[in-house]
Amino acid sequence: SAVISQKPSRDICQRGTSLTIQCQVDSQVTMMFWYRQQPGQSLTLIATANQGSEATYESGFVIDKFPISRPNLTFSTLTVSNMSPEDSSIYLCSVEGGQETQYFGPGTRLLVL
Amino acid sequence: GENVEQHPSTLSVQEGDSAVIKCTYSDSASNYFPWYKQELGKGPQLIIDIRSNVGEKKDQRIAVTLNKTAKHFSLHITETQPEDSAVYFCAASISPNDYKLSFGAGTTVTVRA
Repeated sequence: SAVISQKPSRDICQRGTSLTIQCQVDSQVTMMFWYRQQPGQSLTLIATANQGSEATYESGFVIDKFPISRPNLTFSTLTVSNMSPEDSSIYLCSVEGGQETQYFGPGTRLLVL
Repeated sequence: GENVEQHPSTLSVQEGDSAVIKCTYSDSASNYFPWYKQELGKGPQLIIDIRSNVGEKKDQRIAVTLNKTAKHFSLHITETQPEDSAVYFCAASISPNDYKLSFGAGTTVTVRA
């Protein structure tokens, strides 16, 4: 399985500011995904990020709030814009591992005050 | 879209006993069913998966069964150990091309020593 790292691992931010989360994988992958996991909840897909194309967002998530970059086959960023306390969550990136499998990074724990 | 229900939400077992978690799905086209284990402060870890052409799969102390007719699948952990304490998520995928997963709500498993 791929080795995935995320930066930062956690952060505390003020409302109205933005935070960019980085996801790095140790091998080239076509598909990367960003999820949100609200406290004590399950995982919700925010968007799919393929290299060389615009990210595809799921219902309820928009590019203005969660802009995503995918500059190459090993890296992606997710920005949480104009944050409010409701954005306090764990943000997880995952990568496709072939044959429909997905592997997750360690997550970024975000607290918005 | 796919709807995955997971039960129970919490499960407490004595060390050495077995634990069983059940999930049901709504879309009969679903063909891939992974299970993830999430320990506190970490990202979800893929522990086992099963595809629609298989009824059962085992890996040491864990096993997964799939009943396509009834549209449910289960995770079985035998001889539970304290390190099995975690939140377990089931998921279902209906498309082999976009890797999208629908997750259950999660089961918090506590193994009592």
